[in-house]
Amino acid sequence: KNQVEQSPQSLIILEGKNCTLQCNYTVSPFSNLRWYKQDTGRGPVSLTIMTFSENTKSNGRYTATLDADTKQSSLHITASQLSDSASYICVVSEELRRGGGNKLTFGTGTQLKVEL
Amino acid sequence: EPEVTQTPSHQVTQMGQEVILRCVPISNHLYFYWYRQILGQKVEFLVSFYNNEISEKSEIFDDQFSVERPDGSNFTLKIRSTKLEDSAMYFCASSWTLVGANVLTFGAGSRLTVL
Repeated sequence: KNQVEQSPQSLIILEGKNCTLQCNYTVSPFSNLRWYKQDTGRGPVSLTIMTFSENTKSNGRYTATLDADTKQSSLHITASQLSDSASYICVVSEELRRGGGNKLTFGTGTQLKVEL
Repeated sequence: EPEVTQTPSHQVTQMGQEVILRCVPISNHLYFYWYRQILGQKVEFLVSFYNNEISEKSEIFDDQFSVERPDGSNFTLKIRSTKLEDSAMYFCASSWTLVGANVLTFGAGSRLTVL
């Protein structure tokens, strides 16, 4: 069964500090890995998308890494801000064979809280 | 920036009633999806839709669920006879391409509460 596991479950950091979130997955056939940010009561918003051949991708203060051999990914947030407080979800996509787009398997998310 | 819009934002219904959740995907997108998130749990795939038919569905998407694209803009999810366990946030999403790293844009969600 396809699974995406994330750690830690929750994290509290001080504003301005960096943090790294982890993701392990068992999804096949693998298409790509995404990190989403989800504010409470809102839909997920895409931060990065990485395909099999990409090791690192940055989006502003967010840097995602992917090791497709070990099936691990990380999301590094630098110089955290209060607005970074949200759930960060690792999502792995399998490509649907019958022309159905991508089927996403979501992790349970890491709840990040940034404090003063 | 284009966005996926969902209505209603919150619906309360009695067990056994029919519910229709509506979504307006981004206008030039071709692939449409429904996901749900039970409170405190992870987002789960329900169904994908392309070319006016279901292309994939999960085991959650049983005979009580149906999807429809009644016109050129709306994409609906119908739950025929709601159960308590259907209480969740339902997210609609759409994407432009099929393959590769296509971005799925999610709506803000419709919260369904079944009493």
